[in-house]
Amino acid sequence: KQEVTQIPAALSVPEGENLVLNCSFTDSAIYNLQWFRQDPGKGLTSLLLIQSSQREQTSGRLNASLDKSSGRSTLYIAASQPGDSATYLCAVPQGAQKLVFGQGTRLTINP
Amino acid sequence: NAGVTQTPKFRILKIGQSMTLQCTQDMNHNYMYWYRQDPGMGLKLIYYSVGAGITDKGEVPNGYNVSRSTTEDFPLRLELAAPSQTSVYFCASSGTGGNWNTEAFFGQGTRLTVV
Repeated sequence: KQEVTQIPAALSVPEGENLVLNCSFTDSAIYNLQWFRQDPGKGLTSLLLIQSSQREQTSGRLNASLDKSSGRSTLYIAASQPGDSATYLCAVPQGAQKLVFGQGTRLTINP
Repeated sequence: NAGVTQTPKFRILKIGQSMTLQCTQDMNHNYMYWYRQDPGMGLKLIYYSVGAGITDKGEVPNGYNVSRSTTEDFPLRLELAAPSQTSVYFCASSGTGGNWNTEAFFGQGTRLTVV
């Protein structure tokens, strides 16, 4: 059974800092990994999808890496802004269809 | 460009009442999912569907039912609502890239309170 863990559960940093969010998964036989953002009281917004054949995926100030062999992914946020404050979740498929989520990292960027 | 649309956004139910949460997607995705999110508990899969006419249970299916008569629609039915079903419900969909799902998109959620 796939299990996904995100550490830390919460992170608070000053504006402008670069930061890394971590995601680990127990079954390395995954097809892809997806990072989401969730604002309070809102739905999940897809940030990045990394296919199993890729090692990195970039979108603006966001860079996600994937190391299947070690069961880890990181989300790097450059030059953080208060608008980046949200909960960030990673998810991997269990089997071909079902997405398994981590508990999320609640990020606060302080002005 | 609607994506995944859920209705209603909010609902208060009395114990024992029933209701249907609606979900529609316009991306022609085969895979659709229902999750519930409780505070501090992450997202748990209730039911999922890999195509019209095909549904399967997730982690927490008790007290719920689904149907998938069309590619676009995946309603979630709550029978005999209980306080334990107070939660935020999310519908999601994804396409297929061969044998695996592609990027998943989520609706804005339905906040349900059972009193």
